[in-house]
Amino acid sequence: DADVTQTPRNRITKTGKRIMLECSQTKGHDRMYWYRQDPGLGLRLIYYSFDVKDINKGEISDGYSVSRQAQAKFSLSLESAIPNQTALYFCATSDFARAQFFGPGTRLTVL
Amino acid sequence: GESVGLHLPTLSVQEGDNSIINCAYSNSASDYFIWYKQESGKGPQFIIDIRSNMDKRQGQRVTVLLNKTVKHLSLQIAATQPGDSAVYFCAENSLSGYDKVIFGPGTSLSVIP
Repeated sequence: DADVTQTPRNRITKTGKRIMLECSQTKGHDRMYWYRQDPGLGLRLIYYSFDVKDINKGEISDGYSVSRQAQAKFSLSLESAIPNQTALYFCATSDFARAQFFGPGTRLTVL
Repeated sequence: GESVGLHLPTLSVQEGDNSIINCAYSNSASDYFIWYKQESGKGPQFIIDIRSNMDKRQGQRVTVLLNKTVKHLSLQIAATQPGDSAVYFCAENSLSGYDKVIFGPGTSLSVIP
């Protein structure tokens, strides 16, 4: 079984809709992250959480919110989706001072 | 400012040859470096890491070299195989502060059969 799972894997939605992307991990890591990946721009950090009670904005948090429901679960919400949020979204986990491990990604298209 | 970049956006190698993917970083405070492989349609996959107190680290068919003097690291893949075709990212991490990872844009490796 995969250590980091993301649901859904693909989603097409319309402008203005609320969308939630979910991430679960079985690695036992405290730290979890949400990134988006766009062609030519690499990975950009949206939000990160070092434990259940610690949530921080990344470099591109506008238009997004997160919830850390448990050590193993970290969800990303788009309150009112817009077309420029069309991207590939990745969840990642890590221990302190260790490499991040990524989920398989969610391909989101906002029409 | 802080940045991690790759010298070449694309690299083509013959199957069986060795591949070398390069990376430059600008933050001299970075003390932990990671290489990732991303295949089409998949998430980045951890390959190998190295800390700043080391110059070289070897894994299975891969070697990472770190030159702190010129802020450069490289990933060497021995006997490159078609399955090695992917985008390779280097990433830097400063273990002080909040442990932020900075990813480079990636190098696309194509293996010619």
